Amino acid sequence: DVQLVESGGGLVQPGRSLRLSCAASGFSFDDHAMHWVRQGPGRGLEWVSGISWNSGTIGYADSVKGRFTISRDNAKNSLYLQMNSLRAEDTAFYYCAKDGDGPSWGQGTLVTVSS
Amino acid sequence: DIQMTQSPSTLSASVGDRVTITCRASQSISWWLAWYQQKPGKAPKLLIYKASSLQSGVPSRFSGSGSGTEFSLTISSLQPDDFATYYCQQYNSYLWTFGQGTKVEIK
Repeated sequence: DVQLVESGGGLVQPGRSLRLSCAASGFSFDDHAMHWVRQGPGRGLEWVSGISWNSGTIGYADSVKGRFTISRDNAKNSLYLQMNSLRAEDTAFYYCAKDGDGPSWGQGTLVTVSS
Repeated sequence: DIQMTQSPSTLSASVGDRVTITCRASQSISWWLAWYQQKPGKAPKLLIYKASSLQSGVPSRFSGSGSGTEFSLTISSLQPDDFATYYCQQYNSYLWTFGQGTKVEIK
């Protein structure tokens, strides 16, 4: 079975950085594009970033462009999200998701940006 | 970017009702449309993928239809466990987008 486990969330001050990780198992990681999706408190789902299987194609939502960087390590079956210059509005649950016929999601990790 | 317009935003219904939620894409997405159910404090749960394929383990009262720009999710007989928020998502484009969500409430 597909398993995606996010980690690295926590409380961080505005302007600081945080790196999220997603450990993947149960499928051929290097065959699939991967994404990060977030959901702020009381809000809907927002796509954050996506990366192709070979890192050749990368995309970002306008709200995070220039501040967040997505990357992957196929040898370690891992996806990452480097988040810099964090703002209060980045407070959210962050989900790792696998692309494919039917997307699969992890359980999420909470990022809270507050002084 | 592809915009997804989901309606209604709130739906009040009773147990046993047949309910339908619709989702419209701003351009054709073929059948690359998924439906999710989300309950408070939980991750979204995939119900339907590729517009009409039922995810394993999801009750058959859930069904999806549509292609191109018009899609719908139908619950044939609403059960107590179905009161939740539902989202559509397009994954035709590399930049995924989601509908605004539909909260299904008890009437």
